[in-house]
Amino acid sequence: AQSVTQPDIHITVSEGASLELRCNYSYGATPYLFWYVQSPGQGLQLLLKYFSGDTLVQGIKGFEAEFKRSQSSFNLRKPSVHWSDAAEYFCAVGPGYSSASKIIFGSGTRLSIRP
Amino acid sequence: GAVVSQHPSRVICKSGTSVKIECRSLDFQATTMFWYRQFPKQSLMLMATSNEGSKATYEQGVEKDKFLINHASLTLSTLTVTSAHPEDSSFYICSATLPAGGGLGTEAFFGQGTRLTVV
Repeated sequence: AQSVTQPDIHITVSEGASLELRCNYSYGATPYLFWYVQSPGQGLQLLLKYFSGDTLVQGIKGFEAEFKRSQSSFNLRKPSVHWSDAAEYFCAVGPGYSSASKIIFGSGTRLSIRP
Repeated sequence: GAVVSQHPSRVICKSGTSVKIECRSLDFQATTMFWYRQFPKQSLMLMATSNEGSKATYEQGVEKDKFLINHASLTLSTLTVTSAHPEDSSFYICSATLPAGGGLGTEAFFGQGTRLTVV
């Protein structure tokens, strides 16, 4: 069965510190992986996506993620967080080959920033 | 990037009434749109896949008669919560997906969401 696991419900880091949000997936075929960010009461914004090629993917706002097939992981990282990064982060997986493809979301990780 | 507009952003209705939420793709045509429901501090739960010109495909456990979906044009899908009850209060989000082209897969664009409160 297709699934996405985000083991950390809530993470708090200090402003300027590095960040890593974990994501593990279970998918029967080649996965297309995404990270989205959601501010309170808002829709979702795509941070980055992985379809193929280089396993280290660069996204917006200074985020990057690394696809590790052997570990079924797609962890999100940022070298130095800013207070404005406080939000909910969702990892997602989908087949990605069709506009009718479903996207399955993880449970989300809430990021808080300590001043 | 592509824009998906959702309206209204907030709605309060009385128990027993119906509420319609619109999802529009502003600068592209979307043959498929998706409707999600999000409970507080939880993830997005896919409710249904909206197909232009045909019936929606509902996920298991979602009541078809409660959540009516219409996708009459390539740029508009609507979700109607019928005979709403307080337990239907939630955040509803729509999305549409664009092929990225060049074998780069697809990307989903999300509406701003609708906060429904049933009193």
